Amino acid sequence: NAGVTQTPKFRILKIGQSMTLQCAQDMNHNYMYWYRQDPGMGLKLIYYSVGAGITDKGEVPNGYNVSRSTTEDFPLRLELAAPSQTSVYFCASLTSSGANVLTFGAGSRLTVL
Amino acid sequence: AQSVTQLGSHVSVSEGALVLLRCNYSSSVPPYLFWYVQYPNQGLQLLLKYTSAATLVKGINGFEAEFKKSETSFHLTKPSAHMSDAAEYFCAVSVSGSARQLTFGSGTQLTVLP
Repeated sequence: NAGVTQTPKFRILKIGQSMTLQCAQDMNHNYMYWYRQDPGMGLKLIYYSVGAGITDKGEVPNGYNVSRSTTEDFPLRLELAAPSQTSVYFCASLTSSGANVLTFGAGSRLTVL
Repeated sequence: AQSVTQLGSHVSVSEGALVLLRCNYSSSVPPYLFWYVQYPNQGLQLLLKYTSAATLVKGINGFEAEFKKSETSFHLTKPSAHMSDAAEYFCAVSVSGSARQLTFGSGTQLTVLP
């Protein structure tokens, strides 16, 4: 099993550019999440999804969009990139049964210059 | 809403010494509690979890944590630190009915000195 796969691992963007961070899981998990991690701030929830076709905002959604057309994929779209979006982004998933144990991807480091 | 506070953003211990990482939570309903570890340039891995069974929870790599409802705490301990324990540790809380959302603390960077 690959688990949760994120691409790209690294990306540099110019201010105002757009891009999509890809996330795919092969565990048939219903729940998927996007977090951003900034030094000393822990992880903040950007968006989450409880199943295909259903998404909702987390704590810090501004400047981002998501879609969930399949169970496997949960891409995160950055529109009009800003320096404040420089961060490490983690995708995670979990099953709808059991005790809320997240499986994380390896992360995508984004720099906006 | 739930929240987590980790006391001490940086903790240093000598190899072989006790590791104690502090976590206090706030929740209006019985919580699930977790400790995750993050090694450099990697994602987070689950160390251990509390899900309302035994209050003393044992995890991987010799770590354990005790749920104390009266103190709203879930501190992480290890009797003897190893150099390989150097990493960042995150405490997290979730409650049922919240779309399984986890709320993370700000993290504690553990340094192990030779």
